[in-house]
Amino acid sequence: KAGVTQTPRYLIKTRGQQVTLSCSPISGHRSVSWYQQTPGQGLQFLFEYFSETQRNKGNFPGRFSGRQFSNSRSEMNVSTLELGDSALYLCASSPTGAGSSYEQYFGPGTRLTVT
Amino acid sequence: AQSVTQLGSHVSVSEGALVLLRCNYSSSVPPYLFWYVQYPNQGLQLLLKYTSAATLVKGINGFEAEFKKSETSFHLTKPSAHMSDAAEYFCAVSGGSNYKLTFGKGTLLTVNP
Repeated sequence: KAGVTQTPRYLIKTRGQQVTLSCSPISGHRSVSWYQQTPGQGLQFLFEYFSETQRNKGNFPGRFSGRQFSNSRSEMNVSTLELGDSALYLCASSPTGAGSSYEQYFGPGTRLTVT
Repeated sequence: AQSVTQLGSHVSVSEGALVLLRCNYSSSVPPYLFWYVQYPNQGLQLLLKYTSAATLVKGINGFEAEFKKSETSFHLTKPSAHMSDAAEYFCAVSGGSNYKLTFGKGTLLTVNP
């Protein structure tokens, strides 16, 4: 099975712009989560989607948003970029349903640099 | 609420020596516990998971971890370190109706020849 894929792998944006990141989960996985990783704050949960519905949301401002499509692919959007948004953004997919043990499988990440 | 504390942000061992990475958790519901490894410029790879079956869990690359409820710990061990084990290791917890992973700050493992 192919793993989680994320595009693009690297991105450079200017402060004030917006950006959209894409994630394709492992085939058959319906849950997709997003995390932000920075040296200072570590790994922080952004949001989780299941069947096109946001089930959980972390403590991030409204500039961070996401969505999930009917094929389980997901996108996250960051509007009005700030320098502090520079980070590695990780997408993870998870098998769900009865007996699920919540494990998540991660993609390689998108490295966003805001200048 | 759930939280994870990883003791030691940096652990250095010699090749062939025992690896011990410490993780303590806090959870108000029965936890699921995980160890992930991250190599430079890569995503996180699942090493092993505890899901309330056996308390001693074996993972990939010779790693194992033991769940100790009384100590709220889930330490990661490997009997003999290899140079290829050098990476950052993250302990994580989830559970209940909470589908997110809460991570520790990570432990950077250095393996010296």
